[in-house]
Amino acid sequence: DAKTTQPPSMDCAEGRAANLPCNHSTISGNEYVYWYRQIHSQGPQYIIHGLKNNETNEMASLIITEDRKSSTLILPHATLRDTAVYYCIVNFGNEKLTFGTGTRLTIIP
Amino acid sequence: DAGVTQSPTHLIKTRGQQVTLRCSPKSGHDTVSWYQQALGQGPQFIFQYYEEEERQRGNFPDRFSGHQFPNYSSELNVNALLLGDSALYLCASSRGRGRVNTEAFFGQGTRLTVV
Repeated sequence: DAKTTQPPSMDCAEGRAANLPCNHSTISGNEYVYWYRQIHSQGPQYIIHGLKNNETNEMASLIITEDRKSSTLILPHATLRDTAVYYCIVNFGNEKLTFGTGTRLTIIP
Repeated sequence: DAGVTQSPTHLIKTRGQQVTLRCSPKSGHDTVSWYQQALGQGPQFIFQYYEEEERQRGNFPDRFSGHQFPNYSSELNVNALLLGDSALYLCASSRGRGRVNTEAFFGQGTRLTVV
């Protein structure tokens, strides 16, 4: 079973920041938080991952709480192409990924 | 860098037949994992190959088997196809089984329809 909890759906206005929450209260000390997204009928796309520090790359920012029990993925300026299902996964790294149901993010024009 | 490539993109098979799907990993990657994604669900892990051996397996029957070649490419074989095997089959590659702090990259998948 997935070790994360995400809201099933969210809407965000185009151009605004999209903030996607994830709860992972049973995360172990050396598990990372990974985010992937899947645009309709395509393969999942890696977005970002982190251990305990906040991370930023060209796609998004990842904010992990100090107790590591939850995190937020931030898409700073959402576009219509960001409409997708977003998956939050906890993982040691190179092992099987356990996908939950994810959050279906819809960007509204 | 071509990324992870899968072939074919679409396939239609008859119940009871056998099918082989192929995956070429991203350059520099040596670990290949396969996932099955039924319509409306998240991907489910089938198995992972590293150094030409199956290293980890999900809850799939023996009808699902695989192979990894010396160039790290991989095949997924499914025997005695059932209607329920209709799904998007995804290949993911990564670097160094057992490594931490590494990410997996997915191909675009093979859409298998069993009729």
